Amino acid sequence: QSVLTQPPSVSGAPGQRVTISCTGSSSNIGAGYDVHWYQQLPGTAPKLLIYGNSNRPSGVPDRFSGSKSGTSASLAITGLQAEDEADYYCQSYDSSLSASYVFGTGTKVTVL
Amino acid sequence: EVQLVETGGGLIQPGGSLRLSCAASGFTVSSNYMSWVRQAPGKGLEWVSVIYSGGSTYYADSVKGRFTISRDNSKNTLYLQMNSLRAEDTAVYYCARGKRYSSSWYLDYWGQGTLVTVSS
Repeated sequence: QSVLTQPPSVSGAPGQRVTISCTGSSSNIGAGYDVHWYQQLPGTAPKLLIYGNSNRPSGVPDRFSGSKSGTSASLAITGLQAEDEADYYCQSYDSSLSASYVFGTGTKVTVL
Repeated sequence: EVQLVETGGGLIQPGGSLRLSCAASGFTVSSNYMSWVRQAPGKGLEWVSVIYSGGSTYYADSVKGRFTISRDNSKNTLYLQMNSLRAEDTAVYYCARGKRYSSSWYLDYWGQGTLVTVSS
């Protein structure tokens, strides 16, 4: 099981703001390791959404933003759109595991 | 343009072996951190293995001793040799390129994935 915990699901109406939490511990996020986020649309490969806690790759809309504080990180989607319905995963590094690169448990975002 | 194309998946019996390939274009595999990530049906992402540009390799405990990551520089291709396969290895396997950020790495390009089904 993953050491990074996310809520299984979040939902919102079009235009609303939703946030996804990623809770870790003192051996990963709390140790200062950066958090990255991926979006996985149904039936497709994951795609990088946010890197280095809050940086957006070229082409990612500014509706997506990330932050990190203490042992947690968050992904926010403002102005929710139908095409944002997907699974979202956080990822970081954990110094206590041999599988050092860890993913969060994943969150399904549903647009109502 | 960066592209990653995985091949080699299929149906294999428990205890069998399979080799996955990931052909890269638009960049040099040997100069980059390359990783395999898998996703069991209906489940989340699980990091499997990594090979750094210097050649160091690391594995998740769940596959250590059974899987081997390697690369062929002349073919610009990444491999994952999977031996002693188990039912719990059933998953879509993705290869991905890593980029360093501060003290960690993120995966900036992913292949489309190849399905491995371990079943009798």
